[in-house]
Amino acid sequence: QKEVEQNSGPLSVPEGAIASLNCTYSDRGSQSFFWYRQYSGKSPELIMSIYSNGDKEDGRFTAQLNKASQYVSLLIRDSQPSDSATYLCAVKEGSNYKLTFGKGTLLTVNP
Amino acid sequence: NAGVMQNPRHLVRRRGQEARLRCSPMKGHSHVYWYRQLPEEGLKFMVYLQKENIIDESGMPKERFSAEFPKEGPSILRIQQVVRGDSAAYFCASSPRGDGSYEQYFGPGTRLTVT
Repeated sequence: QKEVEQNSGPLSVPEGAIASLNCTYSDRGSQSFFWYRQYSGKSPELIMSIYSNGDKEDGRFTAQLNKASQYVSLLIRDSQPSDSATYLCAVKEGSNYKLTFGKGTLLTVNP
Repeated sequence: NAGVMQNPRHLVRRRGQEARLRCSPMKGHSHVYWYRQLPEEGLKFMVYLQKENIIDESGMPKERFSAEFPKEGPSILRIQQVVRGDSAAYFCASSPRGDGSYEQYFGPGTRLTVT
């Protein structure tokens, strides 16, 4: 059973701080990794994808991947109250197509 | 609107009725995925379709659930004889291709409530 694990939180950070969200996965064959943001009652919104070891930056977001440790993280710099949401880690194996999701980490950014 | 479209956004059915959920993929996308999100649960894959083909339905319950993606028109997820446990948010996602690193984009979802 392929699993994706996330700390359910809630993770609470003050406005302007760095929020760090973590995710581990069990399937070593996983090749593609995604972070989605989901506001309460809304659909998942893709915010980052990463396929190679190392860091990938996009604005205030940085995704980090370490395939040897089977670990992927998302850093949000200068956190804003509007970043308050559940962040979902999703993993896709090799040439497979379906996403396996973690249960998500609830992030709260306090003004 | 070039995004993934789903309708209806909210659907209320009594136990034993049928529910039909529709999904139109993003323009240029020919691959459709259905996911279900139960309260307090993560998103779970249900089925993957291309036009006129079901590629993988391993995540779909064996009974009462079916899906199609006809040559013309939207993809349909059909739930027959709904039960209270079917109450959930059903999300459709689409991608330009099904393999490799292609990203999946989600529609707004259909929230099904079974009374």
